[in-house]
Amino acid sequence: DTGVSQDPRHKITKRGQNVTFRCDPISEHNRLYWYRQTLGQGPEFLTYFQNEAQLEKSRLLSDRFSAERPKGSFSTLEIQRTEQGDSAMYLCASSATTRGAQETQYFGPGTRLLVL
Amino acid sequence: AQSVTQPDIHITVSEGASLELRCNYSYGATPYLFWYVQSPGQGLQLLLKYFSGDTLVQGIKGFEAEFKRSQSSFNLRKPSVHWSDAAEYFCAGTGGFKTIFGAGTRLFVKA
Repeated sequence: DTGVSQDPRHKITKRGQNVTFRCDPISEHNRLYWYRQTLGQGPEFLTYFQNEAQLEKSRLLSDRFSAERPKGSFSTLEIQRTEQGDSAMYLCASSATTRGAQETQYFGPGTRLLVL
Repeated sequence: AQSVTQPDIHITVSEGASLELRCNYSYGATPYLFWYVQSPGQGLQLLLKYFSGDTLVQGIKGFEAEFKRSQSSFNLRKPSVHWSDAAEYFCAGTGGFKTIFGAGTRLFVKA
């Protein structure tokens, strides 16, 4: 299976610690997205990469959050000085852009973060 | 502002009964529309999508959805629900790279 993968699947941390999540997109996909999903809600857009360029960031992404996609392949999302309000499921998705075709985003299984 | 609304927080249907999940969108132009399903603790699986053309879209697992421009709706249907369909269903729309999701409808299936 060559779907989107995320690591770790679960993370428990103490408030104030830093955490980093990894996403490996489908190999031929040039676009990569991060979403956050809290309990009882749909996913909310955080940020988006086309290849290695970060093209859009949501206002939800505070200064404590940083995302990278250094070689246009995998991506990392880091949260510094975690707060209890950061507890959520962090979803990664990827898509391919083809001239004349519209993209569909394929999602990974998510990383569930719990901040104590 | 762009939005996707799912009016029903949860729905319960009997196994074998038909199902319709509602979705309404608000966009400047017709967005591309999707339905995803999410099982507990899992990511989202794409059920079907509408970009243009035939307004009745067939998806996986026996689901279909109908795009109605006049009602700004994209409702999901299934003629006969199975117990394994119990999950959370999300309608989503995109006018570009940013996808907006509804809050979801949780489906319960009773025997």
